[in-house]
Amino acid sequence: EDKVVQSPLSLVVHEGDTVTLNCSYEVTNFRSLLWYKQEKKAPTFLFMLTSSGIEKKSGRLSSILDKKELFSILNITATQTGDSAVYLCAVEAGSEKLVFGKGTKLTVNP
Amino acid sequence: NAGVMQNPRHLVRRRGQEARLRCSPMKGHSHVYWYRQLPEEGLKFMVYLQKENIIDESGMPKERFSAEFPKEGPSILRIQQVVRGDSAAYFCASSPGTVYGYTFGSGTRLTVV
Repeated sequence: EDKVVQSPLSLVVHEGDTVTLNCSYEVTNFRSLLWYKQEKKAPTFLFMLTSSGIEKKSGRLSSILDKKELFSILNITATQTGDSAVYLCAVEAGSEKLVFGKGTKLTVNP
Repeated sequence: NAGVMQNPRHLVRRRGQEARLRCSPMKGHSHVYWYRQLPEEGLKFMVYLQKENIIDESGMPKERFSAEFPKEGPSILRIQQVVRGDSAAYFCASSPGTVYGYTFGSGTRLTVV
């Protein structure tokens, strides 16, 4: 069965800290890995990764994929209270179906 | 562009009643997906539809659940004879045909009392 595991499940940091969120996966028909941010409502898209070793960057957020070791990381530098959310990792496992991890709940305290 | 519209936002049903959840995809999107999110759990795929066709329903429970995406109108997720275990957030997403274009709605929170 296809599986996506995220760690840690929750994380509490202070503003200005740097955090690293982990996502490992086991799927039979990998196509891409996606990161989403969920703040009490609709998950919003952050990154889509298909190739190993190529870092995707958007402001203070960045992500990279390792297809040999089957994992991805999401980094957030200089965290702000507005970064508080659940971060979801998902893998496209054929036919546009996404398999999600349970998410990492990030709390950034002032 | 109003994005993916789901309604109602909140739905309360008594055990044994029917729940009908609606999803209008983004303009230009012809692919619709339904996911369920239980408390403290990730989103779980339920069904993938295109207009008048069910493409993949591998995540749908075998009984009481059905989905449609008619030629005209929104996609409907229908749950018959609801039970307490159906209480969850149900998210709809739409895309033009690739996961890169996946856009989620704000969800319907179903509570069965």
